[in-house]
Amino acid sequence: LAKTTQPISMDSYEGQEVNITCSHNNIATNDYITWYQQFPSQGPRFIIQGYKTKVTNEVASLFIPADRKSSTLSLPRVSLSDTAVYYCLVGRLYNYGGSQGNLIFGKGTKLSVKP
Amino acid sequence: DSGVTQTPKHLITATGQRVTLRCSPRSGDLSVYWYQQSLDQGLQFLIQYYNGEERAKGNILERFSAQQFPDLHSELNLSSLELGDSALYFCASSVATGQGQDTQYFGPGTRLTVL
Repeated sequence: LAKTTQPISMDSYEGQEVNITCSHNNIATNDYITWYQQFPSQGPRFIIQGYKTKVTNEVASLFIPADRKSSTLSLPRVSLSDTAVYYCLVGRLYNYGGSQGNLIFGKGTKLSVKP
Repeated sequence: DSGVTQTPKHLITATGQRVTLRCSPRSGDLSVYWYQQSLDQGLQFLIQYYNGEERAKGNILERFSAQQFPDLHSELNLSSLELGDSALYFCASSVATGQGQDTQYFGPGTRLTVL
């Protein structure tokens, strides 16, 4: 199973770009990489998902190198409201054909954005 | 609001007891996931159901069981409760198209306190 490793915490200032890296050395061929954001006492919320190379949406970018053993979530111009825990999730739901999948969340990176 | 509902919001019980947590997925979502989040363990995937069938199993204890009913709501049963079972329990749902890794929509969680 792919185990993930993220920095425990990061500090930033408003307006800066923040890059959070997740290591997943044992990622399987069929595994996708997804990032979630969680505020205190709330359920995680989807940010972005990718399989390889680069994915961008309205809130973030996700960079995945060719070997897929790591991924980097990039948050452009963070604000105070981006203060949250960010989780990297590697895995797949299930495989047609019988084998069961699994979903491994990292421990999360606590991002603190200061004014 | 993710569209996923969980009841109850809070639950306080004693060691050795049994409790049932309930989850209603978003309308149209066929897949339900259960997670446990404690302070020291982070977000742990427990189990996934798809259209009534178990599809993926994570770190779920034998004292815990789950099921998904024909109306697609799900219940997580926790028995012989121990102090260490105190945690936030999240339910998530997804469409489960079978393509890659679906976006999961998380409920607000049930906070379980075992005294």
